[in-house]
Amino acid sequence: GENVEQHPSTLSVQEGDSAVIKCTYSDSASNYFPWYKQELGKRPQLIIDIRSNVGEKKDQRIAVTLNKTAKHFSLHITETQPEDSAVYFCAASTGPGTYKYIFGTGTRLKVLA
Amino acid sequence: NAGVTQTPKFRILKIGQSMTLQCTQDMNHNYMYWYRQDPGMGLKLIYYSVGAGITDKGEVPNGYNVSRSTTEDFPLRLELAAPSQTSVYFCASSYGRTGDGYNSPLHFGNGTRLTVT
Repeated sequence: GENVEQHPSTLSVQEGDSAVIKCTYSDSASNYFPWYKQELGKRPQLIIDIRSNVGEKKDQRIAVTLNKTAKHFSLHITETQPEDSAVYFCAASTGPGTYKYIFGTGTRLKVLA
Repeated sequence: NAGVTQTPKFRILKIGQSMTLQCTQDMNHNYMYWYRQDPGMGLKLIYYSVGAGITDKGEVPNGYNVSRSTTEDFPLRLELAAPSQTSVYFCASSYGRTGDGYNSPLHFGNGTRLTVT
């Protein structure tokens, strides 16, 4: 069945450094890839997304890249700050018209001051 | 807009009891979803709906039922609660454009923390 693998499961970086989280998806028909940030005890919130017709998207310190051939996409956070500490989830749609999303298992990011 | 509203926020059930988790959204979204999140884990899709009167199973539907009688409401029913159903349950909604496969972001509710003992 459809599957999304996410690595690493935990990531610690020094404040100001960059963080990269990688996801691989299995369904070649997936065309939409959102990233969510979840703070402790809170709901997941969208931070950035990318569609399959785009290779890269950037929003201030956050960027996402997509490699359709290899079926993987990555989240890049530059100039990390303590408030970036959270769990980050990638997700992939299961194909056009299905409107389902499969989530990765999450990455716990710790930004050390 | 209130967005996606879930009730209750917390609940403790005894094994074998039943309950309904309520979810309502005021964004006129046609797609709605139920996910569960076990401690330290990702989100697993239980059921979803693409419109009133239409529901379908997700990855982990066993032990749950849903209905969608209106665009706004998407309740999740647990019939015979088991300890394995201890989890945080998130309802979500999204705007969907039928016919062209356009996906859009999920908007999540604040979750219901359920403990079955």
